[in-house]
Amino acid sequence: IAGITQAPTSQILAAGRRMTLRCTQDMRHNAMYWYRQDLGLGLRLIHYSNTAGTTGKGEVPDGYSVSRANTDDFPLTLASAVPSQTSVYFCASSGSFDGGTQYFGPGTRLTVL
Amino acid sequence: SQQGEEDPQALSIQEGENATMNCSYKTSINNLQWYRQNSGRGLVHLILIRSNEREKHSGRLRVTLDTSKKSSSLLITASRAADTASYFCATGRDGNKLVFGAGTILRVKS
Repeated sequence: IAGITQAPTSQILAAGRRMTLRCTQDMRHNAMYWYRQDLGLGLRLIHYSNTAGTTGKGEVPDGYSVSRANTDDFPLTLASAVPSQTSVYFCASSGSFDGGTQYFGPGTRLTVL
Repeated sequence: SQQGEEDPQALSIQEGENATMNCSYKTSINNLQWYRQNSGRGLVHLILIRSNEREKHSGRLRVTLDTSKKSSSLLITASRAADTASYFCATGRDGNKLVFGAGTILRVKS
């Protein structure tokens, strides 16, 4: 693994279903983030974690939950998906040594029908 | 709500020309960063400028920051077709969190 990986690459999901997007980093970064990207809106922060064992809410947290059991993994769960959660989801991480630069995964394209 | 707003929304230039993108923000910041996103890919960090810096260079990139006007600009000199991408500014204010703008779509025609 080099950097950040996300899985799945894309997913089509029926409304009401539960879905977990996976994110793993191998850079030993303390902080990790989940964003959603919608056309014309840029990236919006959903949840973040400054260190393993802690999480925080971002700008658009409703309908999403996260956990940070260890340094490397930061899964994002949609408990009951709705069509408005159709988006591209990006996971990112940052260390404490380069001023807050964030490193992004390749993204997961999620469609909720 | 978005902290940074890029201008223009879209820019089309010829290869070899310079491209300038602007970013305005609303509140005080610790740093401002620029990222590039190629179609269908994740964002890639380009450059970070701290609030006490006014200008920074990295290769063909030049970033300026004017905290009194709450604005920044990204200049790409001698553009190449491979520079075609979306460019985002992001402001750092609260710990490690960033707030991104909506981006500028740059198209470099060869």
